[in-house]
Amino acid sequence: NAGVTQTPKFRILKIGQSMTLQCTQDMNHNYMYWYRQDPGMGLKLIYYSVGAGITDKGEVPNGYNVSRSTTEDFPLRLELAAPSQTSVYFCASSYLWIAGEGEQYFGPGTRLTVT
Amino acid sequence: GENVEQHPSTLSVQEGDSAVIKCTYSDSASNYFPWYKQELGKRPQLIIDIRSNVGEKKDQRIAVTLNKTAKHFSLHITETQPEDSAVYFCAASRDTNAGKSTFGDGTTLTVKP
Repeated sequence: NAGVTQTPKFRILKIGQSMTLQCTQDMNHNYMYWYRQDPGMGLKLIYYSVGAGITDKGEVPNGYNVSRSTTEDFPLRLELAAPSQTSVYFCASSYLWIAGEGEQYFGPGTRLTVT
Repeated sequence: GENVEQHPSTLSVQEGDSAVIKCTYSDSASNYFPWYKQELGKRPQLIIDIRSNVGEKKDQRIAVTLNKTAKHFSLHITETQPEDSAVYFCAASRDTNAGKSTFGDGTTLTVKP
């Protein structure tokens, strides 16, 4: 299993440009998440999905959009990039049991700079 | 919503010493508390977790304790080694909330040889 993969690894955007961060998992996990990690800070949840066709906002959703058309893929769309979106973006997935716990498996991250 | 505070933000210990990192949470309904380790430039990885019906869990040199009444939990690393140097994150979530975890801001642990 490749686990959780993300592309691209690095990207520089100009202010106002748009892009899509790709995330794919091959573990048949129901739950997928997008986080951003600013320097010296923890992980902030942007959006999450509990299954194909179902998405919901996290703590910091403004400026982002997501879709979940398949179990495997969970792309994150940035529209009109702003310098405040400079960050490292992590995608994660988990398989939640009825008890509701579950390890989150993270992708390698995408380092995005908006100038 | 949930709020998780983590202390200290940086911790430096001598190889072989113990390290303790503490987190407090605000939502009394939280029932799952994982700890993640993130090495420089790498992705976070789970190292240990605990559920609210357990007071303590141990895995070799790593242990986690939970005090539900006080709403805090701690990570204990004994006999630290240089490879333990990393950023450690605590998190809290509850199973009625789609597994959404709220993370602490992280503790940078440095183990000096």
